[in-house]
Amino acid sequence: DAKTTQPNSMESNEEEPVHLPCNHSTISGTDYIHWYRQLPSQGPEYVIHGLTSNVNNRMASLAIAEDRKSSTLILHRATLRDAAVYYCILRDYLGSSNTGKLIFGQGTTLQVKP
Amino acid sequence: NAGVTQTPKFQVLKTGQSMTLQCAQDMNHNSMYWYRQDPGMGLRLIYYSASEGTTDKGEVPNGYNVSRLNKREFSLRLESAAPSQTSVYFCASSEIAAGQNYEQYFGPGTRLTVT
Repeated sequence: DAKTTQPNSMESNEEEPVHLPCNHSTISGTDYIHWYRQLPSQGPEYVIHGLTSNVNNRMASLAIAEDRKSSTLILHRATLRDAAVYYCILRDYLGSSNTGKLIFGQGTTLQVKP
Repeated sequence: NAGVTQTPKFQVLKTGQSMTLQCAQDMNHNSMYWYRQDPGMGLRLIYYSASEGTTDKGEVPNGYNVSRLNKREFSLRLESAAPSQTSVYFCASSEIAAGQNYEQYFGPGTRLTVT
């Protein structure tokens, strides 16, 4: 699985948008971009994923660069409950060894200030 | 619908003791996974089971064994605990299929301390 690079930490104010960047310059054509987050003292939870086009769901939006070498997770209005570690993960679903396993980096710790 | 459940929630072991961490899922998923998370780090895969009857090593399998008891249950055993195995252990499950994306569901974790 290709490697991703994220900032160690970011801060945001409550009710403001947050843009969490992820670089993945060695991404392959069949790698999907996944985002998970981990709230304090909990297991990770799925946020969103995409391949080439921007994606929206009830939790967040995912903006993918045209060359796919970077992506940005967008939280439209941060709440205190969004304070968590956010992980950007690449997954190749078309490979012959598709086992579903995830390779986590250290992620970005998001602090939300009231 | 409980999702992924893990027992126990907390455990303290002495060096050399053994124990089994239990995991069960009620989502009829084929694949199950065990991860560990050390302080300030991301999760690392210990073992996984892509389907009932199969298990494979992940990134950090040394010192652990697993059993896929049935489709619902996947246990992790520490035969002789060491302080380096002090960590939080997460179990997860998902569906998998070639060319398809499925999210992974995680349990609440087991906090293990080895003294």
